[in-house]
Amino acid sequence: GQSLEQPSEVTAVEGAIVQINCTYQTSGFYGLSWYQQHDGGAPTFLSYNALDGLEETGRFSSFLSRSDSYGYLLLQELQMKDSASYFCAGSYYGQNFVFGPGTRLSVLP
Amino acid sequence: NAGVTQTPKFRILKIGQSMTLQCTQDMNHNYMYWYRQDPGMGLKLIYYSVGAGITDKGEVPNGYNVSRSTTEDFPLRLELAAPSQTSVYFCASSFTGFGEKLFFGSGTQLSVL
Repeated sequence: GQSLEQPSEVTAVEGAIVQINCTYQTSGFYGLSWYQQHDGGAPTFLSYNALDGLEETGRFSSFLSRSDSYGYLLLQELQMKDSASYFCAGSYYGQNFVFGPGTRLSVLP
Repeated sequence: NAGVTQTPKFRILKIGQSMTLQCTQDMNHNYMYWYRQDPGMGLKLIYYSVGAGITDKGEVPNGYNVSRSTTEDFPLRLELAAPSQTSVYFCASSFTGFGEKLFFGSGTQLSVL
């Protein structure tokens, strides 16, 4: 089956910018999503990229490069409430959504 | 709108017992999914459905069964519970299966002892 890779942990300070990378397998791939999950909570949708380039939604942006099989989530003006786990999820024909292992972001004061 | 509603929120089972996790959505979504999430891990797809009467296996279907008799409901059945099924279970839905936003329920914390 398909698999995605992302760093296990990232730490940054309040007000900073952080980038969470995700690499994916290309066979059958057609898009990349990002989800946020706070401890004890359910995943919530952040963004989706089907085309190369940058998608911006407020403080969060997501980027996709199909030629590099790579995407990232960019979080700007970090706030304490952004401390959470972030999952990339690949959409693949015939396999629905395949989630990465998650990146735990810790925002320090 | 309630979105995706899962019950129960917590459950403890003994080895060999059976139970059904309930999931219902009120958004008229065609696609529904069951995922499990082990501590510190990503989500693994158990089963999914593309519409009433149609279900298919995901990555980790062993030990589980599903049915989809209506658009709204997608229950997950655990038969002969085993400690390996201790996990958090999430039900999700989407209008289509093509990369769009997944709406998740609040999850069920299941422990098998």
